[in-house]
Amino acid sequence: QLYLQESGPGLVKPSETLSLKCTVSGDSISSSSYFWGWIRQPPGKGLGWIGSIYYTGSTSYNPSLKSRVSMSVDTSRNQFSLKLSSVTAADTAVYYCARLNIAATNFDYWGQGTLVTVSP
Amino acid sequence: QSALTQPPSASGSPGQSVTISCTGTSSDVGGYDYVSWYQLHPGKAPKLVIYEVTKRPSGVPDRFSGSKSGNTASLNVSGLQAEDEADYYCSSYAGGNNLVFGGGTKLTVL
Repeated sequence: QLYLQESGPGLVKPSETLSLKCTVSGDSISSSSYFWGWIRQPPGKGLGWIGSIYYTGSTSYNPSLKSRVSMSVDTSRNQFSLKLSSVTAADTAVYYCARLNIAATNFDYWGQGTLVTVSP
Repeated sequence: QSALTQPPSASGSPGQSVTISCTGTSSDVGGYDYVSWYQLHPGKAPKLVIYEVTKRPSGVPDRFSGSKSGNTASLNVSGLQAEDEADYYCSSYAGGNNLVFGGGTKLTVL
């Protein structure tokens, strides 16, 4: 069974960088059959795709966040990471990591999510 | 890249059927057969219930079905059960490895 677990600070100050990791167990992040991605859900709002990454490091980012987002993979730790810079209160959300199929068209396994609050 | 449009709420009694719509454009829903539906229960990991418009992952009951016509996709849940009460989100491929989600629909089982 595949498990994904998000980890990172639950509180980030405005203008700073949000950093999260997703640890994958039950499958190798180096599998050529999948992408890995991040999605977020602000309080009371809908889901929003942040970006996706392949084990080679190839990335795709939501155009609305592209200037502030960076994703990376650490195959030795079976983890992938998200960095979002210059955060504001609007970046307060539950952040999910998930696995995408090779066509990068759907997320078949998700983590439980972690709440990140942006506040002074 | 605008969010797909879903009704904010839907409801039905146990045993009944309910359909949730998801409207996009020819650049996403209408342009690709890559619409997915996700079920979100509070505090739990989201679950994929439909992918590629009509396909069900292993373990998802056949009470869940999907369809698409033009720029609108639909999720039908038949034989409603109490455990179906959840938030449902559609998603579509939008080209260039981009994905877009709907605003979500809260399904209430009366």
